[in-house]
Amino acid sequence: DAGVIQSPRHEVTEMGQEVTLRCKPISGHDYLFWYRQTMMRGLELLIYFNNNVPIDDSGMPEDRFSAKMPNASFSTLKIQPSEPRDSAVYFCASRSRGESSGANVLTFGAGSRLTVL
Amino acid sequence: LAKTTQPISMDSYEGQEVNITCSHNNIATNDYITWYQQFPSQGPRFIIQGYKTKVTNEVASLFIPADRKSSTLSLPRVSLSDTAVYYCLVGPNNAGKSTFGDGTTLTVKP
Repeated sequence: DAGVIQSPRHEVTEMGQEVTLRCKPISGHDYLFWYRQTMMRGLELLIYFNNNVPIDDSGMPEDRFSAKMPNASFSTLKIQPSEPRDSAVYFCASRSRGESSGANVLTFGAGSRLTVL
Repeated sequence: LAKTTQPISMDSYEGQEVNITCSHNNIATNDYITWYQQFPSQGPRFIIQGYKTKVTNEVASLFIPADRKSSTLSLPRVSLSDTAVYYCLVGPNNAGKSTFGDGTTLTVKP
């Protein structure tokens, strides 16, 4: 398996522009998580899905952020309009409910580094 | 979800054994303890997971006392490449939410 695949790896955009980050989870994993990491706030959970359904979006900072999972192999995180304070590394992770090793074994993607000027 | 407390940073030298302790006083009966490692510019990576006593794999050992209110990640004979941030997570089996704390920044010196 190629692991969790995220794109783009790097994005530089100007304030006010729309940003779309993409994630392909590991095949067979039924949980998908979006995290944001900054020096100031560490790793923050934004939203997670189970079987393509959003379960908890309480970490989404404001209405400018939205996430979708139209099918089991694809998810997007969209920021519209983007602001400089959104600059961060955004990670996608997936997990299988049925993993024999137990809970909380997440596999992370390489991340998307976003810079909003 | 159980709150965890770890040291912010630790220093070590190559070849030494490193022990990082995580406190989780309000751990629940069905909670597991999971450790992740994160290198700069990469996503966190699973290291080890346990429920009680001791777990060992090719990378590390995890020691959990009987009361389970703390756990210790042990890295044998560290090298420079073990310099990373180490996160301790506590949560129930098949948990939805997985919340990371501040982690411990381990710096291994030559």
